[in-house]
Amino acid sequence: DTGVSQNPRHKITKRGQNVTFRCDPISEHNRLYWYRQTLGQGPEFLTYFQNEAQLEKSRLLSDRFSAERPKGSFSTLEIQRTEQGDSAMYLCASSLAWGEKNEQFFGPGTRLTVL
Amino acid sequence: GQQLNQSPQSMFIQEGEDVSMNCTSSSIFNTWLWYKQDPGEGPVLLIALYKAGELTSNGRLTAQFGITRKDSFLNISASIPSDVGIYFCAGQASSNTGKLIFGQGTTLQVKP
Repeated sequence: DTGVSQNPRHKITKRGQNVTFRCDPISEHNRLYWYRQTLGQGPEFLTYFQNEAQLEKSRLLSDRFSAERPKGSFSTLEIQRTEQGDSAMYLCASSLAWGEKNEQFFGPGTRLTVL
Repeated sequence: GQQLNQSPQSMFIQEGEDVSMNCTSSSIFNTWLWYKQDPGEGPVLLIALYKAGELTSNGRLTAQFGITRKDSFLNISASIPSDVGIYFCAGQASSNTGKLIFGQGTTLQVKP
C-alpha cells in the first residue's frame, strides 16, 4: 500500500506527558498537512509543509505543538504537556501540488486520548 | 475555527434512493473537494472540482462547483448499503494556501 501512513494509530497518555506522532506521505508528494478532528466535527487545519519548509500555521497550533519535516519526507507532530482538550484524531494528508490542483489524500489518523 | 455550512446534517434513506447534499460558504473558494469518512478512519477523496460551474462524476457520485463559487453539491444515485458514512465538503480559498476548510459533515445511513 503506497498511501499515507500514520503511527501510532492510537495513543493514550496522561495529562502533562509529551507525545509524538509520525506521518509518512505518499512518495513524491511535495506537500504534507496536519489536521485535528474532534467528534462530530470536520477536520481543522493545523499546519502544512512544502518540502521541508513549514509554510502556514493555524492559530490552533499553540506553543505546546510543534511539527517538523526535516528532510522533506516524513513529518512528526509533537504535543508537549498534553491537556485533556488535546484529545482528538490527528490526521495527516499529502498532496502533489501543481498549478491549481491540490488534491489532499489523508492517512488513517492517530487517535489521542489524554486522561 | 471557520467551517463551511453543510446540509443536511444527517439522512436516513432506503437502498436505491438518490441522495443530495450541499455545502455553502460566505466567501469564495477556488477548489471544492468531497470526502467520505468511515468510523475510525481518515477521509477518502471522492471528487475534486476546480472551475465554477464544473460538473464531475465518479461512478454513482456527481458533484458540482456552484456558479457563485460559494457553494457545491454532491449527489449519490441509487444508494447502496456501503454508501453509509460521513460525507464532508472541503474548500480551498486560493492557490496561495494549502489549508482546506471543512464542513461539519453529512451522516448518511442506508436501510437495505
